Amino acid sequence: GQQLNQSPQSMFIQEGEDVSMNCTSSSIFNTWLWYKQDPGEGPVLLIALYKAGELTSNGRLTAQFGITRKDSFLNISASIPSDVGIYFCAGLQATGNQFYFGTGTSLTVIP
Amino acid sequence: NAGVTQTPKFRVLKTGQSMTLLCAQDMNHEYMYWYRQDPGMGLRLIHYSVGEGTTAKGEVPDGYNVSRLKKQNFLLGLESAAPSQTSVYFCASSYFGGDEQYFGPGTRLTVT
Repeated sequence: GQQLNQSPQSMFIQEGEDVSMNCTSSSIFNTWLWYKQDPGEGPVLLIALYKAGELTSNGRLTAQFGITRKDSFLNISASIPSDVGIYFCAGLQATGNQFYFGTGTSLTVIP
Repeated sequence: NAGVTQTPKFRVLKTGQSMTLLCAQDMNHEYMYWYRQDPGMGLRLIHYSVGEGTTAKGEVPDGYNVSRLKKQNFLLGLESAAPSQTSVYFCASSYFGGDEQYFGPGTRLTVT
């Protein structure tokens, strides 16, 4: 299957700091989704992106659809303890019905 | 509005046993999906359905079967469980193929 590389694999940050993570692929995608997963729960959709260059915000979260269509970025501003969890990207190619998921970025926020 | 629900939440099977996982959604979504999640790996698609009465193979379909007899339900079956099928299984649904997917809470399956 398609490989989506998420970076970094894990992050340990102080409360109040900003966070940046990204998702890259060798293939072109038409849609990017960003999810957050809490321990023992299913992934919850944070942001959906449908157009190259698109920048979309959801509260303190901002995501961007890369211009090359091979990458996407998620930023979290002024992190708080409840931001702890695993963040996944998912990409959909033009020719497919199937979303491919990244391996996740684990975020720990230290109060 | 419950969204996507899954039963059971936990299950332990012996090698060779069979079981069925049930997924239900009340959002009138056409598409439904079964994924498995293993440590250090992203979600991998097992099977999916584009509408009532249809099923299709995903990335890792071997050892699993599915059925979509009603629009709101999607069943995942393991006919003869193997330890390699120990995983957390997630169901998801969406209005159409390229649309946002909404996930259930997961089923943690252990095969001994």
